[in-house]
Amino acid sequence: DTGVSQDPRHKITKRGQNVTFRCDPISEHNRLYWYRQTLGQGPEFLTYFQNEAQLEKSRLLSDRFSAERPKGSFSTLEIQRTEQGDSAMYLCASSLRQGHLNEQFFGPGTRLTVL
Amino acid sequence: RKEVEQDPGPFNVPEGATVAFNCTYSNSASQSFFWYRQDCRKEPKLLMSVYSSGNEDGRFTAQLNRASQYISLLIRDSKLSDSATYLCVVRQLMGSGGYQKVTFGIGTKLQVIP
Repeated sequence: DTGVSQDPRHKITKRGQNVTFRCDPISEHNRLYWYRQTLGQGPEFLTYFQNEAQLEKSRLLSDRFSAERPKGSFSTLEIQRTEQGDSAMYLCASSLRQGHLNEQFFGPGTRLTVL
Repeated sequence: RKEVEQDPGPFNVPEGATVAFNCTYSNSASQSFFWYRQDCRKEPKLLMSVYSSGNEDGRFTAQLNRASQYISLLIRDSKLSDSATYLCVVRQLMGSGGYQKVTFGIGTKLQVIP
């Protein structure tokens, strides 16, 4: 499967614990995005990488959240001291810089439940 | 005012019906527009880009009205398999670095009934 993959697909954790999610983009894609989606809402932008550089972060991304893309390939999103409000689907997407109509391809998401 | 607004629905339509969704955006500098489809508990997938002159892909027609800042999606001859949430997506190029701010609407839920 050459699409975007995410791991784990589901994560249940207790409040206060740290969690880390991984995203593997489509191999030749240099742009990588993280989104959060809650029930009944559209995806909300969290952060964006071009190669290994994190070029944009949403104000939604509190200091408990950190994302990395150390070698410009896979990316990790860590949430420290999780709160119940962090429960959501975390989606990763990748795209290839190729004009303004470049499509974002989404991974299947990681569903986080904070108890 | 939200950057991208959609009626969340649900739109319940019989098979074979024609249904139209609208989406309005607030930023006149927005440059690219898309419709994504999202099935229940699945990831969004691109349905179609929206071009200034309007474009058609089979039973689906997308149109853009820059003056009024809205885009539309028309689905003809609805199929049961069209049941999904349709997300309006607006992109705006930020600065010279190539970063595109992507904003999703809340999505419009369509249920096609036999």
